[in-house]
Amino acid sequence: NAGVTQTPKFQVLKTGQSMTLQCAQDMNHEYMSWYRQDPGMGLRLIHYSVGAGITDQGEVPNGYNVSRSTTEDFPLRLLSAAPSQTSVYFCASSYSSGQDNEKLFFGSGTQLSVL
Amino acid sequence: KNEVEQSPQNLTAQEGEFITINCSYSVGISALHWLQQHPGGGIVSLFMLSSGKKKHGRLIATINIQEKHSSLHITASHPRDSAVYICAVHSLRDDKIIFGKGTRLHILP
Repeated sequence: NAGVTQTPKFQVLKTGQSMTLQCAQDMNHEYMSWYRQDPGMGLRLIHYSVGAGITDQGEVPNGYNVSRSTTEDFPLRLLSAAPSQTSVYFCASSYSSGQDNEKLFFGSGTQLSVL
Repeated sequence: KNEVEQSPQNLTAQEGEFITINCSYSVGISALHWLQQHPGGGIVSLFMLSSGKKKHGRLIATINIQEKHSSLHITASHPRDSAVYICAVHSLRDDKIIFGKGTRLHILP
């Protein structure tokens, strides 16, 4: 098993550009989510999904889109990048909430800079 | 007020000391996670708790559902334990995972 694969690791964008952060897991997890991590703020939820075809907004969804067409993939799209979106992004997955012994698995992170 | 509060925010201790990090939450939960993040590194899951206590090596995690409180203990701390420790809860209300801001631990040799 590869776990959670997140790409790219680093990205520099100009204001107004669009891009997609990829997240894939091979553990058949129902739950997938995207977070951004900023200094002093901790991890903040952008969007999440409890299964294929189902997505919902988190704490900071503006400027981001997601889709969940398959169980394995959960891409995050920045529609028109802004400097305020400079951050480190993490994708995570797990089995359904609350199942015993089911940990959260994280991707390795994407460091995004918007100039 | 944050729904997940961790204390302390920062902790510096000598090698060998017993470490306790606390997490309090205000929502109904189905599970609580303890995570570890080394500087510049990824995030690793240490424990998932829905009740009671779990132990893995020198790490012990406990949860009191009635009091909405969890603790992470590190026995015989070592400089390699230096990291940020993050508490996260899986909310029953909306299935979201809510994170604390983390505790930055520094163990001095």
